[in-house]
Amino acid sequence: DSGVTQTPKHLITATGQRVTLRCSPRSGDLSVYWYQQSLDQGLQFLIQYYNGEERAKGNILERFSAQQFPDLHSELNLSSLELGDSALYFCASSAGTSIYGYTFGSGTRLTVV
Amino acid sequence: AQTVTQSQPEMSVQEAETVTLSCTYDTSESDYYLFWYKQPPSRQMILVIRQEAYKQQNATENRFSVNFQKAAKSFSLKISDSQLGDAAMYFCAYRNSGAGSYQLTFGKGTKLSVIP
Repeated sequence: DSGVTQTPKHLITATGQRVTLRCSPRSGDLSVYWYQQSLDQGLQFLIQYYNGEERAKGNILERFSAQQFPDLHSELNLSSLELGDSALYFCASSAGTSIYGYTFGSGTRLTVV
Repeated sequence: AQTVTQSQPEMSVQEAETVTLSCTYDTSESDYYLFWYKQPPSRQMILVIRQEAYKQQNATENRFSVNFQKAAKSFSLKISDSQLGDAAMYFCAYRNSGAGSYQLTFGKGTKLSVIP
């Protein structure tokens, strides 16, 4: 157990639907990062939050949004889902500037049918 | 933008032998961090080793070591005495050192098979 908890582990939904992925960071970590892993794009950085505030944005679609709550857990919202959104979504956390690397969760496998 | 290239989609190694996975990157920065992550079939991303660009000495963690060539922008991973549990996808990753640039840029990965 890495200390980063992601739920659910698996999610199957239909095109056009909306889903929410949840992440609880390791105790004491203020930063949360979201990554998407797909076969064709590899691991892509989506967004970072630090202590409730958005810190950096990557290749995140406008249909996707995220937030970090006062208790530091984070949610990634994916809407108007398309087949191409099927991927493994990782959350990672770090204590500060992440120079020692992140701690990753075990991911949420999203399948859009 | 920084890019990370892993030119070997797949590699195999005999158990107890040594294997080297290649990684090159492109950056205009002088200070940065490099990482190797392991992703076994369980999908968990596990940090294997890290290197700070300003350090000349190559990082070592037990059977894992790196060959960091800053001028060549090369960061290879050597696994000695390979074990069955080393079978996994290995990802090379880059991170700027500057404030606010905390995201990792990953290579496409190398799938390592260990032959008993």
